[in-house]
Amino acid sequence: SAVISQKPSRDICQRGTSLTIQCQVDSQVTMMFWYRQQPGQSLTLIATANQGSEATYESGFVIDKFPISRPNLTFSTLTVSNMSPEDSSIYLCSVALENEQFFGPGTRLTVL
Amino acid sequence: GEDVEQSLFLSVREGDSSVINCTYTDSSSTYLYWYKQEPGAGLQLLTYIFSNMDMKQDQRLTVLLNKKDKHLSLRIADTQTGDSAIYFCAERFGGYQKVTFGIGTKLQVIP
Repeated sequence: SAVISQKPSRDICQRGTSLTIQCQVDSQVTMMFWYRQQPGQSLTLIATANQGSEATYESGFVIDKFPISRPNLTFSTLTVSNMSPEDSSIYLCSVALENEQFFGPGTRLTVL
Repeated sequence: GEDVEQSLFLSVREGDSSVINCTYTDSSSTYLYWYKQEPGAGLQLLTYIFSNMDMKQDQRLTVLLNKKDKHLSLRIADTQTGDSAIYFCAERFGGYQKVTFGIGTKLQVIP
C-alpha cells in the first residue's frame, strides 16, 4: 500500500489569495492525481501530474487557476490561485500502485 | 462515456446485511473500487474487483460484478454501527488510470 500525507490538513483563506497544498508519498510513483470534493459531493479529478512534464488537466480546470508542480517521484504540489468561496472544498492527492488507488487524507479549504 | 450511479441513502439495522448498488456505463473499465468515507475523514479503499471477475469476498465484504448489466454491488454482512459512512463506487480504466466516482451512498446503521 501507499502512505500519503498532505499539508496543510485544513486552512481558512481570504478571497483573492492563493494556497499551495503539498502531497508526499512514501514510495515512488509515476502518476499523481489531484481531486476535489466539494461539500456533499463526489470526487472530481482536477489533473494528472507526471514527473518531468506538465500536468494534464480535466475539462473545466485550467493551469492558471490550479498550477501543479511535480519535482520528483514522491512529491507534488497543487496551488489554488485567486481563491473565491466557490473553491471551498476538500482537495485530495491520489496515487495508483498496481491495482489499487490510494488517497491522501485531504486538505479542507474554506474561502471567506 | 463515463458515468457511475449510486443510490443516495441506505438504512439498515445492526446485524443485518447491507447491499449497496452501483451502475456504470463504460464497459472498458478495468478495475472497480469501493471506498468508505467517514465524517470528516479521508477515503479508505475497502476492496476492488478486476473486470474479469464475478465475485470477490473479503471477510464481511462481498463484491459482485455483473459485467453484462454493468452492475456492481457491495454486500456488508453483519453490519455494525461503525460501518455508518458514505460508500463510493469508482471505476478505473486500464492504462490511463483515471478514476471516476459515483455520488456516494450514505449508509445509516440503526442500533
